[in-house]
Amino acid sequence: EQLVESGGGLVQPGGSLRLSCAVSGFTASFFYIDWVRQSPGKGLEWVGRTADNSNHFHTDYAAPVKDRFIISRDESQNSVFLQMNSLTAEDTAVYYCTRSLKAFDTWGQGTQVTVSS
Amino acid sequence: DIQLTQSPSSLSASVGDRVTMTCRASRDISTSLAWYQQKPGKAPKVLLSDAFTLQRGVPSRFIGGRSGTDYTLTIFRLQPDDSATYYCQQYYLTPPVTFGGGTTVEI
Repeated sequence: EQLVESGGGLVQPGGSLRLSCAVSGFTASFFYIDWVRQSPGKGLEWVGRTADNSNHFHTDYAAPVKDRFIISRDESQNSVFLQMNSLTAEDTAVYYCTRSLKAFDTWGQGTQVTVSS
Repeated sequence: DIQLTQSPSSLSASVGDRVTMTCRASRDISTSLAWYQQKPGKAPKVLLSDAFTLQRGVPSRFIGGRSGTDYTLTIFRLQPDDSATYYCQQYYLTPPVTFGGGTTVEI
């Protein structure tokens, strides 16, 4: 069971970036998948989540990213995506996708997002 | 939102010691709490869920406790590999999911 993030990189303030979370070893649709980020030298911050198929893939977001970030899924690819818009320096962080079974029991390795001019 | 306050923010101990860290919730979370271990440059790893339940493969030296809204993680017989930052997280009332600020254990 594995999650692998990709799509991070350097982006200018105000720009956009789309992160991918490729799931293997289990069917992503049956689980909540969350995004958690960690700014340099800081703690863990929840970004948002997509519910499982029984909850119609409902999405929730943390206040700092609401209306800027969008979480989506592609069942055919067994993947989850994080579309990030209107990025600011405060969004600079390592972004992790994680499977939620009450606790976050499986994590990806993370992908670095740097917002800088 | 439920706030989680971890203390101490850091501690230093020796191999073989017992250490305890605390996570205080701003309201009752009914043992809906997880503990994670994170080493530099790595993703967090879940140690316990439901405050007390050890995850598969985690040594039994890690013990969860609770007193009211205070949750504790105790590590017995500290090992060099236990050097890490430990985070608590609540899933009782979400969204949002919330984490504590972390406790760094130096050995």
